[in-house]
Amino acid sequence: NAGVTQTPKFQVLKTGQSMTLQCAQDMNHEYMSWYRQDPGMGLRLIHYSVGAGITDQGEVPNGYNVSRSTTEDFPLRLLSAAPSQTSVYFCASSYVGLVTFGSGTRLTVV
Amino acid sequence: SQQGEEDPQALSIQEGENATMNCSYKTSINNLQWYRQNSGRGLVHLILIRSNEREKHSGRLRVTLDTSKKSSSLLITASRAADTASYFCATPPLGSARQLTFGSGTQLTVLP
Repeated sequence: NAGVTQTPKFQVLKTGQSMTLQCAQDMNHEYMSWYRQDPGMGLRLIHYSVGAGITDQGEVPNGYNVSRSTTEDFPLRLLSAAPSQTSVYFCASSYVGLVTFGSGTRLTVV
Repeated sequence: SQQGEEDPQALSIQEGENATMNCSYKTSINNLQWYRQNSGRGLVHLILIRSNEREKHSGRLRVTLDTSKKSSSLLITASRAADTASYFCATPPLGSARQLTFGSGTQLTVLP
């Protein structure tokens, strides 16, 4: 049982480049979400999904897109990377209020 | 805006001592959760306390919840060096059981 798997673990982007952070879970959880964590801060919700085909914005959605075509996958797309998006990104899935986090993607935008 | 706020921001204790960290939140909740994050790693769920519970234990962890004061505390007894980590409280607002809002965390350092 792999839980929540995020790829890649590390990524360096140039300003203006686009990329997709992958997230997959094998627990059949309906709810999935993306957070970013900046130094010395807690997690801030970017986007979330309550099931396949349904997504919604969180606290800091600007500059990010998501889609949920299957229950298992919830990719996060950066459309045009900016230095302000340098952060650690965590994907999570949950069931009845208990959240399982992936190990994170450390993204640096130069 | 952050729902939960932990206090203190940093705590340093000797191995074997107890560590207490607090969390305050703003709106009514169904439950409150505590997570641990080791440096450079993802968050690990520690314990969930429901709004109708006042105290809950799990191993060396004791969590209390005071809904009248909108506050919770996490006590780690007989701390170990391996307990060194950041600890976050998280709350799902009413009507959104799975959408968590995190505080900025308490950095606990346990000195051997």
